Amino acid sequence: QSALTQPASVSGSPGQSITISCTGTSNDVGAYNSVSWYQQHPGKAPKLIIFSVSDRPSGVSSRFSGSKSDITASLTISGLQSEDEADYYCSSYTSNRPFVFGTGTKVTVL
Amino acid sequence: EVQLVESGGGLVKPGGSLRLSCAASGFRFNSFDMNWVRQAPGKGLKWVSFIRSSSTYISYADSVKGRFTVSRDNAKNSLYLQMDSLRVEDTAVYYCARANFRHFDLWGRGTLVTVSS
Repeated sequence: QSALTQPASVSGSPGQSITISCTGTSNDVGAYNSVSWYQQHPGKAPKLIIFSVSDRPSGVSSRFSGSKSDITASLTISGLQSEDEADYYCSSYTSNRPFVFGTGTKVTVL
Repeated sequence: EVQLVESGGGLVKPGGSLRLSCAASGFRFNSFDMNWVRQAPGKGLKWVSFIRSSSTYISYADSVKGRFTVSRDNAKNSLYLQMDSLRVEDTAVYYCARANFRHFDLWGRGTLVTVSS
């Protein structure tokens, strides 16, 4: 099972919006509305920020939003803040194995 | 408090074995599917293993299949990962993660496994 493809890095200035893509196949992202996104700060455990493509867990800022088109899912962070600087991973349910993660994206706030 | 706490990591030689544990508290453990996810130093997250709440379905990543065995004891609110024939490339922080439908909504802090001679 190959990892989902994410850009290695994305950057933006405070207040701007950025979008992270997550490209899979017709066996994972394209087959299920079961894409989730995780934020991970250095030395910390991952934290769920989006599930089921576009749903936000309670307590997660509305600045985080998700979407999906065909085999590509996207995470948008609006009103970028310094605390958003972290690594971000997508994940999808798959037809071959229960889960697969993306390659990860480092977000830098300029 | 709802939490997962991993233990059992450490330094082991190639070919050796290690057993990881994950203690769950604050929620009905026997109602949730569970997973192990690992992260090699400086690398991304990799899904390792899944076990259904009733242990009736188990799945592994190809990279660990035949070497790792996942199990759970619902009476003890605990998840386990028996790791045999360890390789240098198994070096990673191992997280247990609760599956809520098809996403991971609760993570432990992880336990570091180092495989080195």
